[in-house]
Amino acid sequence: AQSVTQLGSHVSVSEGALVLLRCNYSSSVPPYLFWYVQYPNQGLQLLLKYTSAATLVKGINGFEAEFKKSETSFHLTKPSAHMSDAAEYFCAANAGGTSYGKLTFGQGTILTVHP
Amino acid sequence: KAGVTQTPRYLIKTRGQQVTLSCSPISGHRSVSWYQQTPGQGLQFLFEYFSETQRNKGNFPGRFSGRQFSNSRSEMNVSTLELGDSALYLCASSLGGANPTDTQYFGPGTRLTVL
Repeated sequence: AQSVTQLGSHVSVSEGALVLLRCNYSSSVPPYLFWYVQYPNQGLQLLLKYTSAATLVKGINGFEAEFKKSETSFHLTKPSAHMSDAAEYFCAANAGGTSYGKLTFGQGTILTVHP
Repeated sequence: KAGVTQTPRYLIKTRGQQVTLSCSPISGHRSVSWYQQTPGQGLQFLFEYFSETQRNKGNFPGRFSGRQFSNSRSEMNVSTLELGDSALYLCASSLGGANPTDTQYFGPGTRLTVL
């Protein structure tokens, strides 16, 4: 069964510092991977997705992620954190095949940005 | 283009009652997925509908059911409510083809509290 693990339920950075949020997937077949962000009292917004076209994926708001099959990872990074980046981030996977509309989510990582 | 809308936004029920939640997808989207979000279990997939048919289902008891109408609007129903059903229920819409990289667009959610 597909599973997604996010290391670190809370990450705290200073404004202007590098943001690194970790995501590992468990599957014999590399899944299709997504990063979503959730602001308080809101739904989820897509940041970026891996479609196998390129291993380095650029998303919105300056975020990017690199797919590494050898490490079964899809970590999210941003070179310089902004106060507005404070939110909860979710890594998700679709296993393909008959997994219509089914995303399997990691437990989420709350990002705190200090001034 | 209008986003995914969910009604109501907040709901308070008592144990044993039943509840119906509604989701209107983005125009042109034919797939609607439902998720339950709780602090303990995180985001869990409930089911997915496409062209009025359930294509996929998560591991939830039969008290959780759904349907989709010809205009792609979807409803989910929870019968015999339990305290543990208190959660944020999110729906997401997508184009609905067989492409596993299809982006799901989330609504703001319905916050259900069971007393």
